[in-house]
Amino acid sequence: EDQVTQSPEALRLQEGESSSLNCSYTVSGLRGLFWYRQDPGKGPEFLFTLYSAGEEKEKERLKATLTKKESFLHITAPKPEDSATYLCAVRGYGGATNKLIFGTGTLLAVQP
Amino acid sequence: GAGVSQSPSNKVTEKGKDVELRCDPISGHTALYWYRQSLGQGLEFLIYFQGNSAPDKSGLPSDRFSAERTGGSVSTLTIQRTQQEDSAVYLCASSRDPQLNYEQYFGPGTRLTVT
Repeated sequence: EDQVTQSPEALRLQEGESSSLNCSYTVSGLRGLFWYRQDPGKGPEFLFTLYSAGEEKEKERLKATLTKKESFLHITAPKPEDSATYLCAVRGYGGATNKLIFGTGTLLAVQP
Repeated sequence: GAGVSQSPSNKVTEKGKDVELRCDPISGHTALYWYRQSLGQGLEFLIYFQGNSAPDKSGLPSDRFSAERTGGSVSTLTIQRTQQEDSAVYLCASSRDPQLNYEQYFGPGTRLTVT
């Protein structure tokens, strides 16, 4: 069964203090790994798609990387506006569905 | 352009009543998905539409839940005889051709509270 585990559940950083969020996954053939950001009371906002091990993508202070078993979301010199829940999801090749399997997210708080 | 829209944004209903939740996908997106997000839990897949047909309904939790899509656009998720455990945020997402692995874009959700 496809599964996604994110850690830590919550992370508190000082502004400018870089860190990484982890997403471990098991899937029957990875079609794609997705990172989303979710602010309170809003729907998830798409950040990145990664397709194969070794791939990296960057956007402002965020960089996502992918191995065969996990993905990391690196946050460099975060600002308070980076505070949100970060969600990881995978899509596998199994079955006729294109559904995403989500982890429970990492709640990031960046203090000024 | 316009994103995915959902209505209502909030719905409070009494146990046993039926509710309808609406989703307007991004124009031109052929695939549409419904997910449910309960407090402290991850997003849970409910149903996937490609055009007007639903190749995957495996996530619908019971036969009280149903969904349809018309004109390859708007979708309605119906919950009959609501129960307190149905309280959650219901999220809709759409994407371009999923066979090409396009990302899914989410709406703001409908917060359903069953009293």
